[in-house]
Amino acid sequence: GQNIDQPTEMTATEGAIVQINCTYQTSGFNGLFWYQQHAGEAPTFLSYNVLDGLEEKGRFSSFLSRSKGYSYLLLKELQMKDSASYLCAPMDSNYQLIWGAGTKLIIKP
Amino acid sequence: GAVVSQHPSWVICKSGTSVKIECRSLDFQATTMFWYRQFPKQSLMLMATSNEGSKATYEQGVEKDKFLINHASLTLSTLTVTSAHPEDSSFYICSATPPGASENYEQYFGPGTRLTVT
Repeated sequence: GQNIDQPTEMTATEGAIVQINCTYQTSGFNGLFWYQQHAGEAPTFLSYNVLDGLEEKGRFSSFLSRSKGYSYLLLKELQMKDSASYLCAPMDSNYQLIWGAGTKLIIKP
Repeated sequence: GAVVSQHPSWVICKSGTSVKIECRSLDFQATTMFWYRQFPKQSLMLMATSNEGSKATYEQGVEKDKFLINHASLTLSTLTVTSAHPEDSSFYICSATPPGASENYEQYFGPGTRLTVT
């Protein structure tokens, strides 16, 4: 079956760094997306990894290891507005996104 | 670019009535749009894939006669919840992938429609 595993909730301090891990099992693989979703809103795109390694985009970086079925999202210089859910979504062989429940990130002052 | 809109943003209806939700790609043509449903604190659940000019492809367990999808043009897809019941109350979100997106198959999401059935 297809499965996504992320921590349910994480707490971090404003200005700090946090890493959100994701392990996945899919039928085939065509890349992995990270989305941010604020409460009551639709997801917004953060990153896409299809090859192994680290992709950096401003304060956010995303890492992928296909052999390990593992990805992480790294958020630096945390701001209060980063409080949201972060969704790891790999794409299977049918180019369909597989969604987990996401990780709720709480930022404290 | 790549903006997707939804209308209405929220709707309250009585049990047994039907509700139509529109999803529009404002600055690109989308041959494929996706409809999701999300219950509180749960993951996005793909309901169906909407293809312009053809019948939608529904996910297992989604009643196609209850959730009618029409993709009449390259910029508009509609979801009609027929004979709505309180258990249909949820957050409905559409998404679309622009052709030639730099991030392959990246989905741009509409703002969502919150449906409450009383």
